[in-house]
Amino acid sequence: AQSVTQLDSQVPVFEEAPVELRCNYSSSVSVYLFWYVQYPNQGLQLLLKYLSGSTLVESINGFEAEFNKSQTSFHLRKPSVHISDTAEYFCAVRKILQGAQKLVFGQGTRLTINP
Amino acid sequence: DVKVTQSSRYLVKRTGEKVFLECVQDMDHENMFWYRQDPGLGLRLIYFSYDVKMKEKGDIPEGYSVSREKKERFSLILESASTNQTSMYLCASRPLGALDTEAFFGQGTRLTVV
Repeated sequence: AQSVTQLDSQVPVFEEAPVELRCNYSSSVSVYLFWYVQYPNQGLQLLLKYLSGSTLVESINGFEAEFNKSQTSFHLRKPSVHISDTAEYFCAVRKILQGAQKLVFGQGTRLTINP
Repeated sequence: DVKVTQSSRYLVKRTGEKVFLECVQDMDHENMFWYRQDPGLGLRLIYFSYDVKMKEKGDIPEGYSVSREKKERFSLILESASTNQTSMYLCASRPLGALDTEAFFGQGTRLTVV
Protein backbone atom coordinates (compact mmCIF):
# COMPACT_ATOMS: atom_id res chain seq x y z
CA ALA A 1 0.00 0.00 0.00
CA GLN A 2 1.22 3.48 -0.88
CA SER A 3 2.46 5.24 2.25
CA VAL A 4 3.13 8.62 0.68
CA THR A 5 1.05 10.45 -1.92
CA GLN A 6 2.14 13.55 -3.76
CA LEU A 7 -0.96 14.95 -5.31
CA ASP A 8 0.63 16.92 -8.15
CA SER A 9 3.01 15.40 -10.66
CA GLN A 10 3.90 18.82 -12.12
CA VAL A 11 3.63 22.35 -10.77
CA PRO A 12 4.46 25.30 -13.05
CA VAL A 13 4.78 28.70 -11.41
CA PHE A 14 6.17 32.10 -12.28
CA GLU A 15 9.34 33.40 -10.70
CA GLU A 16 8.77 35.18 -7.37
CA ALA A 17 5.34 33.57 -6.97
CA PRO A 18 4.51 31.41 -3.93
CA VAL A 19 4.32 27.64 -4.28
CA GLU A 20 2.94 24.72 -2.32
CA LEU A 21 3.83 21.10 -3.07
CA ARG A 22 1.41 18.72 -1.44
CA CYS A 23 2.23 15.51 0.40
CA ASN A 24 -0.03 13.17 2.36
CA TYR A 25 1.08 10.08 4.21
CA SER A 26 -0.57 7.00 5.63
CA SER A 27 -1.17 7.29 9.33
CA SER A 28 1.28 5.53 11.60
CA VAL A 29 2.21 5.57 15.26
CA SER A 30 5.59 7.20 14.76
CA VAL A 31 6.19 9.32 11.70
CA TYR A 32 9.45 10.69 10.41
CA LEU A 33 8.96 12.81 7.31
CA PHE A 34 11.41 14.15 4.76
CA TRP A 35 11.51 16.28 1.64
CA TYR A 36 14.28 15.53 -0.86
CA VAL A 37 15.14 17.63 -3.92
CA GLN A 38 16.64 16.39 -7.18
CA TYR A 39 18.14 19.09 -9.40
CA PRO A 40 18.56 18.26 -13.10
CA ASN A 41 21.11 15.49 -13.71
CA GLN A 42 21.88 15.08 -10.02
CA GLY A 43 21.07 12.68 -7.22
CA LEU A 44 18.69 13.39 -4.36
CA GLN A 45 19.60 15.83 -1.58
CA LEU A 46 17.83 16.24 1.74
CA LEU A 47 15.88 19.50 1.85
CA LEU A 48 14.29 19.27 5.31
CA LYS A 49 12.91 16.78 7.79
CA TYR A 50 10.38 16.44 10.58
CA LEU A 51 11.20 14.15 13.48
CA SER A 52 9.46 15.64 16.53
CA GLY A 53 8.91 18.95 18.27
CA SER A 54 7.89 22.02 16.30
CA THR A 55 5.54 21.13 13.47
CA LEU A 56 7.05 23.79 11.20
CA VAL A 57 10.46 22.96 9.79
CA GLU A 58 12.60 25.14 7.54
CA SER A 59 15.41 24.67 5.06
CA ILE A 60 18.32 27.03 4.45
CA ASN A 61 17.03 28.09 1.02
CA GLY A 62 13.65 29.42 2.08
CA PHE A 63 11.47 26.31 1.90
CA GLU A 64 9.37 25.24 4.86
CA ALA A 65 7.05 22.34 5.58
CA GLU A 66 4.38 21.89 8.20
CA PHE A 67 3.55 18.58 9.80
CA ASN A 68 -0.22 18.32 10.24
CA LYS A 69 -1.13 15.18 12.15
CA SER A 70 -4.90 15.57 11.86
CA GLN A 71 -4.71 15.89 8.09
CA THR A 72 -1.77 13.48 7.74
CA SER A 73 -0.01 16.04 5.56
CA PHE A 74 3.48 17.46 5.19
CA HIS A 75 3.13 20.11 2.50
CA LEU A 76 6.18 22.02 1.26
CA ARG A 77 5.93 25.77 0.73
CA LYS A 78 8.02 28.69 -0.39
CA PRO A 79 6.71 32.27 -0.42
CA SER A 80 8.75 33.38 -3.43
CA VAL A 81 10.44 30.95 -5.82
CA HIS A 82 13.55 31.45 -7.91
CA ILE A 83 14.57 29.97 -11.25
CA SER A 84 17.16 27.88 -9.39
CA ASP A 85 14.36 26.07 -7.53
CA THR A 86 13.48 24.21 -10.72
CA ALA A 87 13.80 20.55 -9.70
CA GLU A 88 11.88 17.44 -8.80
CA TYR A 89 10.77 17.22 -5.17
CA PHE A 90 10.13 13.98 -3.32
CA CYS A 91 8.30 13.54 -0.06
CA ALA A 92 9.34 10.51 1.97
CA VAL A 93 8.45 8.77 5.21
CA ARG A 94 10.73 6.57 7.25
CA LYS A 95 9.03 3.41 8.36
CA ILE A 96 10.07 0.32 10.20
CA LEU A 97 9.06 -2.62 8.08
CA GLN A 98 10.02 -6.19 8.84
CA GLY A 99 12.32 -4.94 11.57
CA ALA A 100 14.28 -2.67 9.22
CA GLN A 101 14.14 1.06 8.62
CA LYS A 102 13.09 2.01 5.11
CA LEU A 103 12.46 5.27 3.30
CA VAL A 104 9.23 5.18 1.35
CA PHE A 105 8.96 7.86 -1.34
CA GLY A 106 6.08 9.60 -3.01
CA GLN A 107 5.74 9.80 -6.77
CA GLY A 108 7.57 13.13 -7.01
CA THR A 109 6.49 16.63 -8.08
CA ARG A 110 8.30 18.40 -10.87
CA LEU A 111 8.50 22.12 -10.09
CA THR A 112 9.05 24.34 -13.12
CA ILE A 113 9.75 28.04 -12.66
CA ASN A 114 8.90 30.31 -15.55
CA PRO A 115 10.51 33.75 -15.86
CA ASP B 1 31.16 15.54 2.87
CA VAL B 2 29.67 12.13 2.38
CA LYS B 3 30.24 10.82 -1.07
CA VAL B 4 28.24 8.12 -2.78
CA THR B 5 29.66 7.27 -6.18
CA GLN B 6 27.94 5.28 -8.87
CA SER B 7 30.37 3.94 -11.43
CA SER B 8 28.42 4.94 -14.54
CA ARG B 9 26.10 7.85 -15.35
CA TYR B 10 24.75 6.25 -18.52
CA LEU B 11 24.65 2.64 -19.68
CA VAL B 12 23.18 0.99 -22.74
CA LYS B 13 22.84 -2.80 -22.65
CA ARG B 14 21.21 -5.45 -24.80
CA THR B 15 18.33 -7.64 -23.75
CA GLY B 16 19.62 -10.77 -22.03
CA GLU B 17 22.95 -9.28 -20.95
CA LYS B 18 24.15 -9.54 -17.38
CA VAL B 19 24.52 -6.02 -16.00
CA PHE B 20 26.42 -4.81 -12.96
CA LEU B 21 25.73 -1.43 -11.37
CA GLU B 22 28.34 -0.44 -8.83
CA CYS B 23 28.04 1.88 -5.86
CA VAL B 24 30.75 2.97 -3.43
CA GLN B 25 30.42 5.15 -0.32
CA ASP B 26 33.26 6.65 1.65
CA MET B 27 31.69 7.26 5.07
CA ASP B 28 31.68 3.79 6.59
CA HIS B 29 27.88 3.59 6.52
CA GLU B 30 26.31 0.31 7.47
CA ASN B 31 23.12 0.69 5.42
CA MET B 32 23.08 0.82 1.64
CA PHE B 33 20.12 0.88 -0.72
CA TRP B 34 19.27 0.51 -4.39
CA TYR B 35 16.23 2.30 -5.81
CA ARG B 36 14.85 2.68 -9.28
CA GLN B 37 13.23 5.94 -10.31
CA ASP B 38 10.50 6.02 -12.94
CA PRO B 39 8.26 8.93 -14.00
CA GLY B 40 5.04 8.99 -12.02
CA LEU B 41 6.20 6.24 -9.68
CA GLY B 42 8.83 8.03 -7.65
CA LEU B 43 11.59 5.94 -6.08
CA ARG B 44 10.97 2.29 -5.40
CA LEU B 45 13.25 0.21 -3.21
CA ILE B 46 14.80 -2.80 -4.94
CA TYR B 47 17.17 -4.17 -2.29
CA PHE B 48 18.97 -2.95 0.77
CA SER B 49 21.81 -4.13 2.96
CA TYR B 50 22.51 -3.36 6.60
CA ASP B 51 25.88 -5.07 6.82
CA VAL B 52 28.51 -6.88 4.80
CA LYS B 53 27.08 -10.00 3.17
CA MET B 54 23.61 -9.12 4.46
CA LYS B 55 20.80 -8.24 2.10
CA GLU B 56 17.06 -7.76 2.26
CA LYS B 57 14.49 -7.54 -0.49
CA GLY B 58 12.76 -4.25 -1.02
CA ASP B 59 9.46 -3.67 -2.75
CA ILE B 60 10.44 -4.72 -6.28
CA PRO B 61 13.30 -7.27 -6.14
CA GLU B 62 12.18 -9.43 -9.06
CA GLY B 63 14.79 -9.60 -11.80
CA TYR B 64 17.54 -8.20 -9.58
CA SER B 65 20.14 -9.45 -7.14
CA VAL B 66 22.76 -7.68 -5.04
CA SER B 67 26.20 -8.24 -3.62
CA ARG B 68 27.86 -6.68 -0.59
CA GLU B 69 31.30 -8.22 -0.14
CA LYS B 70 32.82 -5.08 1.36
CA LYS B 71 31.24 -2.46 3.56
CA GLU B 72 31.84 0.39 1.15
CA ARG B 73 30.55 -1.32 -2.00
CA PHE B 74 27.03 -2.42 -2.91
CA SER B 75 26.43 -3.87 -6.35
CA LEU B 76 23.12 -4.29 -8.15
CA ILE B 77 22.99 -7.15 -10.65
CA LEU B 78 20.54 -7.67 -13.48
CA GLU B 79 21.00 -11.35 -14.29
CA SER B 80 19.32 -11.06 -17.70
CA ALA B 81 18.43 -7.51 -18.61
CA SER B 82 15.01 -6.80 -20.06
CA THR B 83 13.55 -3.69 -21.65
CA ASN B 84 11.27 -3.10 -18.67
CA GLN B 85 14.38 -2.57 -16.57
CA THR B 86 15.19 0.59 -18.50
CA SER B 87 15.21 3.17 -15.73
CA MET B 88 17.22 5.52 -13.54
CA TYR B 89 18.93 3.62 -10.72
CA LEU B 90 19.88 5.41 -7.51
CA CYS B 91 22.15 4.15 -4.78
CA ALA B 92 22.00 5.53 -1.23
CA SER B 93 23.78 4.98 2.06
CA ARG B 94 22.95 5.80 5.65
CA PRO B 95 24.62 5.11 8.98
CA LEU B 96 23.07 2.63 11.34
CA GLY B 97 21.23 4.12 14.25
CA ALA B 98 18.62 6.71 14.93
CA LEU B 99 15.73 7.27 12.63
CA ASP B 100 16.68 10.90 12.14
CA THR B 101 19.86 10.24 10.18
CA GLU B 102 19.46 11.15 6.54
CA ALA B 103 20.27 9.00 3.53
CA PHE B 104 22.90 10.19 1.03
CA PHE B 105 22.36 9.51 -2.65
CA GLY B 106 24.59 8.95 -5.62
CA GLN B 107 24.04 10.81 -8.89
CA GLY B 108 22.25 7.93 -10.50
CA THR B 109 22.83 5.56 -13.41
CA ARG B 110 20.49 5.85 -16.35
CA LEU B 111 20.23 2.37 -17.83
CA THR B 112 18.72 1.74 -21.23
CA VAL B 113 18.07 -1.86 -22.28
CA VAL B 114 17.58 -2.29 -26.02
